[in-house]
Amino acid sequence: EPEVTQTPSHQVTQMGQEVILRCVPISNHLYFYWYRQILGQKVEFLVSFYNNEISEKSEIFDDQFSVERPDGSNFTLKIRSTKLEDSAMYFCASRRAGGVYNEQFFGPGTRLTVL
Amino acid sequence: AQSVTQLGSHVSVSEGALVLLRCNYSSSVPPYLFWYVQYPNQGLQLLLKYTSAATLVKGINGFEAEFKKSETSFHLTKPSAHMSDAAEYFCAVSDGSGNTGKLIFGQGTTLQVKP
Repeated sequence: EPEVTQTPSHQVTQMGQEVILRCVPISNHLYFYWYRQILGQKVEFLVSFYNNEISEKSEIFDDQFSVERPDGSNFTLKIRSTKLEDSAMYFCASRRAGGVYNEQFFGPGTRLTVL
Repeated sequence: AQSVTQLGSHVSVSEGALVLLRCNYSSSVPPYLFWYVQYPNQGLQLLLKYTSAATLVKGINGFEAEFKKSETSFHLTKPSAHMSDAAEYFCAVSDGSGNTGKLIFGQGTTLQVKP
């Protein structure tokens, strides 16, 4: 069964460093998302991506964040200069074309720890 | 703006007992509603979804949920809990009027199943 994969599973970085979180969505899906979950808090929407551009982003997704689909299979989230408060679990998700009622498939997440 | 409230961050039941996880939503447009489950160290997996068809929705692993517009609720139930049901459960709403399909999550409910 197709699944969304994410690497690495755990990333530790120093404050101010750049990190890139990687995701491989399901191959025939067209909509891609990043969410994050700070420990003990709810899962929050960061950004959605369709047709090679951002379709929506939340207030969290400021200039320090960027997304890219560099090669037609990977979907990346870059944080340019990490802050302590960026420590969280980051989930990638994808869904196929059609209505927004279609299921989003989630990856297992990347736990980012900023020291 | 849409929102989801899950009543009870932690629910404990005995094996074989009824499971009831509560979810209330707020939406200015007809919502699409989802329940996801997260097992330890795994991504979010869809249990079931409401997409304006039948108000009683059956999902995987014996779970079901009933959409009640008058109560703005979408509570998740299972007649008989199994030890393997122990996990984190998330209720989410998707904006049917937009086309990004972003999910707004509740705070999550941890289900503990006692032998």
